Amino acid sequence: GAVVSQHPSWVICKSGTSVKIECRSLDFQATTMFWYRQFPKQSLMLMATSNEGSKATYEQGVEKDKFLINHASLTLSTLTVTSAHPEDSSFYICSAASSRRNEQFFGPGTRLTVL
Amino acid sequence: AQSVTQLGSHVSVSEGALVLLRCNYSSSVPPYLFWYVQYPNQGLQLLLKYTSAATLVKGINGFEAEFKKSETSFHLTKPSAHMSDAAEYFCAVSDHGTSGTYKYIFGTGTRLKVLA
Repeated sequence: GAVVSQHPSWVICKSGTSVKIECRSLDFQATTMFWYRQFPKQSLMLMATSNEGSKATYEQGVEKDKFLINHASLTLSTLTVTSAHPEDSSFYICSAASSRRNEQFFGPGTRLTVL
Repeated sequence: AQSVTQLGSHVSVSEGALVLLRCNYSSSVPPYLFWYVQYPNQGLQLLLKYTSAATLVKGINGFEAEFKKSETSFHLTKPSAHMSDAAEYFCAVSDHGTSGTYKYIFGTGTRLKVLA
């Protein structure tokens, strides 16, 4: 199977600090990774798509300077929430895909709480 | 362009009864279709997927779904509900990379409640 991990699984931080979330594809090379945000009792909202070695493509309404995405290798993408505020508190889920596996494989999610 | 509509944000069934969760899609290319289940504070677990092979797809935990092109539907069913099936269910459509992005469009989700 294709396994995607996220770290940390949950994080609590103070308002104004930055938080980094890692997404790793453990047993395949992911040419494309996706970052989603999910508010309570809502569906997943795509934030951005990142291709290895390229700048991420952000969905409309997502602040690229606030949500920094790096996809430096075929197995690792990071999402950094800069100057986090309580309204950034959410469940963040990543997924990974490759041309050989033309479907997405999802990570277990990261719960971010900003105090 | 692609879209997904899940009719019924909440569905309640009695334990042992038939489960039917509805999903209709719109796609300009032959789609890939997925059903995921999400338990509280957890990620998505793939139940089943349609990737243009057999139209009746069997998944895990006794779930199955039938791709009906004429009705643009991909409804999820299970003959007999179990208490452990209570969760949020998401339908998703993908262009499986024809646009080069493998983007998914998710439905709004259906919360399944199983009554004892």
